[in-house]
Amino acid sequence: KAGVTQTPRYLIKTRGQQVTLSCSPISGHRSVSWYQQTPGQGLQFLFEYFSETQRNKGNFPGRFSGRQFSNSRSEMNVSTLELGDSALYLCASSLAWGTDTQYFGPGTRLTVL
Amino acid sequence: DAKTTQPTSMDCAEGRAANLPCNHSTISGNEYVYWYRQIHSQGPQYIIHGLKNNETNEMASLIITEDRKSSTLILPHATLRDTAVYYCIVSSNTGKLIFGQGTTLQVKP
Repeated sequence: KAGVTQTPRYLIKTRGQQVTLSCSPISGHRSVSWYQQTPGQGLQFLFEYFSETQRNKGNFPGRFSGRQFSNSRSEMNVSTLELGDSALYLCASSLAWGTDTQYFGPGTRLTVL
Repeated sequence: DAKTTQPTSMDCAEGRAANLPCNHSTISGNEYVYWYRQIHSQGPQYIIHGLKNNETNEMASLIITEDRKSSTLILPHATLRDTAVYYCIVSSNTGKLIFGQGTTLQVKP
């Protein structure tokens, strides 16, 4: 089975712009979670989607949003980018909601200039 | 905040068992212990999880104390490729993993 795929792998944006990241879960997995990893804050949970509904949300401002499609693919959007949004954004999929056995993708490295 | 305490770093000789401890003294009855690892610049990798019984899979063994306040991840024969940051996470299966700082395991030849 193919693993979790994330596109793009690398992205450079400037302050004030917005960005959309994409995640394709493992085939058959219906839950997708997003995480942000920075050197200062480590790995932090952003949100989790199951059946196109956001089930859980981390402590991030409203500039961070996401959605899930009927095929379980997910996107996250960050509007009005700030320098501090530079990070590795990781997507993880799991079979269903209610399990924390998550399989992570390689991540998208976002650099904000 | 993470509900676990792990040593910041550990060394292990290649071929020997690596024993990574984790304290989770405030764990609740419905919370599981999960272990993940992250090799430099890659996404975290699921290793193993358990509720109260010891668990073993092809990657590792998980030993949970009877009072569930601590656990140990055992990599039976560490290789250089096991060098990574290991995260012990307590979770009630909500889809939200709270990562702490983890233990950096350095396997040395």
